[in-house]
Amino acid sequence: DAKTTQPPSMDCAEGRAANLPCNHSTISGNEYVYWYRQIHSQGPQYIIHGLKNNETNEMASLIITEDRKSSTLILPHATLRDTAVYYCIVGSQTGANNLFFGTGTRLTVIP
Amino acid sequence: NAGVTQTPKFQVLKTGQSMTLQCAQDMNHEYMSWYRQDPGMGLRLIHYSVGAGITDQGEVPNGYNVSRSTTEDFPLRLLSAAPSQTSVYFCASRETGLYNEQFFGPGTRLTVL
Repeated sequence: DAKTTQPPSMDCAEGRAANLPCNHSTISGNEYVYWYRQIHSQGPQYIIHGLKNNETNEMASLIITEDRKSSTLILPHATLRDTAVYYCIVGSQTGANNLFFGTGTRLTVIP
Repeated sequence: NAGVTQTPKFQVLKTGQSMTLQCAQDMNHEYMSWYRQDPGMGLRLIHYSVGAGITDQGEVPNGYNVSRSTTEDFPLRLLSAAPSQTSVYFCASRETGLYNEQFFGPGTRLTVL
């Protein structure tokens, strides 16, 4: 599975959009981009995933560049409850249950 | 649905003791896995299972055993605990054939003295 690179930390003002970047320059054609978050040592929580098209759900939007070498997770209106560590992971849809978590980005939403 | 449940929530062991961390899911998921998370680190895969009777090693399997006799349960055994196994342990499960949306349990915080 391809490796990802994320900034270690970011701040965002409450109510503003939080844009979390991720580089995955070695991603292969059948690998998806997944985002999870972990709030205060709870179990990680799935947010969104995508292959090459932009995706949106009730939690966030995922923007993947045309060359698929990077992506951005967007939380449109960050709240204090969005303070968490966000993990960007790439992996194939089939196969074993192997998600390789890096150290992620610690997002702090500031009142 | 209760989702993924883990017991105990906290455990303190002495070096050399053995114990089993329990994990159960009621979503009829085929895939289950165990991760550990050390302070300030991401999750690392210990063992995983693609179905009842089938298990395999992950990134950091040494010192741990698993078995999968039923779809619902996936216990993790520490045969002889060591201080290096002090960590938070998460169990996860997902359906077969879908994108990798994994459902995680609340974790077990283990301290080995």
